[in-house]
Amino acid sequence: DGGITQSPKYLFRKEGQNVTLSCEQNLNHDAMYWYRQDPGQGLRLIYYSQIVNDFQKGDIAEGYSVSREKKESFPLTVTSAQKNPTAFYLCASSIPPSNKQFFGPGTRLTVL
Amino acid sequence: AQTVTQSQPEMSVQEAETVTLSCTYDTSENNYYLFWYKQPPSRQMILVIRQEAYKQQNATENRFSVNFQKAAKSFSLKISDSQLGDTAMYFCAYRHISNFGNEKLTFGTGTRLTIIP
Repeated sequence: DGGITQSPKYLFRKEGQNVTLSCEQNLNHDAMYWYRQDPGQGLRLIYYSQIVNDFQKGDIAEGYSVSREKKESFPLTVTSAQKNPTAFYLCASSIPPSNKQFFGPGTRLTVL
Repeated sequence: AQTVTQSQPEMSVQEAETVTLSCTYDTSENNYYLFWYKQPPSRQMILVIRQEAYKQQNATENRFSVNFQKAAKSFSLKISDSQLGDTAMYFCAYRHISNFGNEKLTFGTGTRLTIIP
């Protein structure tokens, strides 16, 4: 089946540790995105990549890093510099001209 | 910068009734897209409907339709014959059109809709 997969579904991290969230898509989409969702808030963009080996900061990039070495993969690293990392993280992808973004099932990150 | 505002944090309606969710946005662009996404308790984001700003005709998808008022920068979602499965968070989102084609979405804070049996 075509789609976007995120792993793990739940992730626990100790303070001071870096952690990497996985996002894979087999839709052959060029663009990929990472969003963060907090209770009572909409989704906020962390990073996005429009093409392999290129990515741009979104609205809340501080404390996060990404890479885009392959078209189908866009991992997100939450570093120890992120002050409040506990949140729900959603990955998405899209391809023109549809301009529709398709989302993965999300990863719930909890810092202990 | 574009902003999207959803002024109704929560709504509830009886099953089979019609409900309208409000969304306003602020932009200086003339060409853009507007979206409604649904997030059920599973937290999977699902695209409900899309509207291109250059189209005057309101988009419809089965029981879902929009009232797009470009001058007023308003984009409401109407759900007809509501069903229990419509219970979810609903997010309005904006995206401007670029030559490259892939641009970020700006989301509102969401409306939690509950369908009452």
